Amino acid sequence: GNSVTQMEGPVTLSEEAFLTINCTYTATGYPSLFWYVQYPGEGLQLLLKATKADDKGSNKGFEATYRKETTSFHLEKGSVQVSDSAVYFCALSDRSGGYQKVTFGTGTKLQVIP
Amino acid sequence: DADVTQTPRNRITKTGKRIMLECSQTKGHDRMYWYRQDPGLGLRLIYYSFDVKDINKGEISDGYSVSRQAQAKFSLSLESAIPNQTALYFCATSRLNYGYTFGSGTRLTVV
Repeated sequence: GNSVTQMEGPVTLSEEAFLTINCTYTATGYPSLFWYVQYPGEGLQLLLKATKADDKGSNKGFEATYRKETTSFHLEKGSVQVSDSAVYFCALSDRSGGYQKVTFGTGTKLQVIP
Repeated sequence: DADVTQTPRNRITKTGKRIMLECSQTKGHDRMYWYRQDPGLGLRLIYYSFDVKDINKGEISDGYSVSRQAQAKFSLSLESAIPNQTALYFCATSRLNYGYTFGSGTRLTVV
């Protein structure tokens, strides 16, 4: 079956540091890939997505590139802010068979300190 | 108003009680989902519905039931709550390939 593996957290960074959160996946079809963010006390929000190999998703300074050869979708940001502190979830959506099944990773907590 | 509204936001209930969690949406999406979130386990799918007449079990449906009362409403019931159902529950909606819109969650504690 499909699976998503994320690096374990928490990840603690100083403000303005470079962020990478690793995500790798296994899937039988040609999935779409997503990053969601969950701020404290809130639901998950879609951060960015990519629907095919070599696509780059970007939003709010975050980027991730769909790498089919390495089955990865690492999240990056050049300069993090305290307001980026949250839990980040990598997910894949398998479109095969007309049924959209979404598989989530276990989440990576990011703490940004001033 | 939020696109996806869950009620209640927090609930404490006793073992053996029946409880219903409600979800309503204004997105106009056909697809609705119930997930539970547990520390270290991420999100796990309980039930999903692609339209009012289409209800499907997810990976952890035992002990839960759902009702899709209308396109915009999807409720989750625990017929006889038990402590290991203590978790954060999320409702979500989607269109195909467009990602999910989540509610703010219901924190359920079973004592």
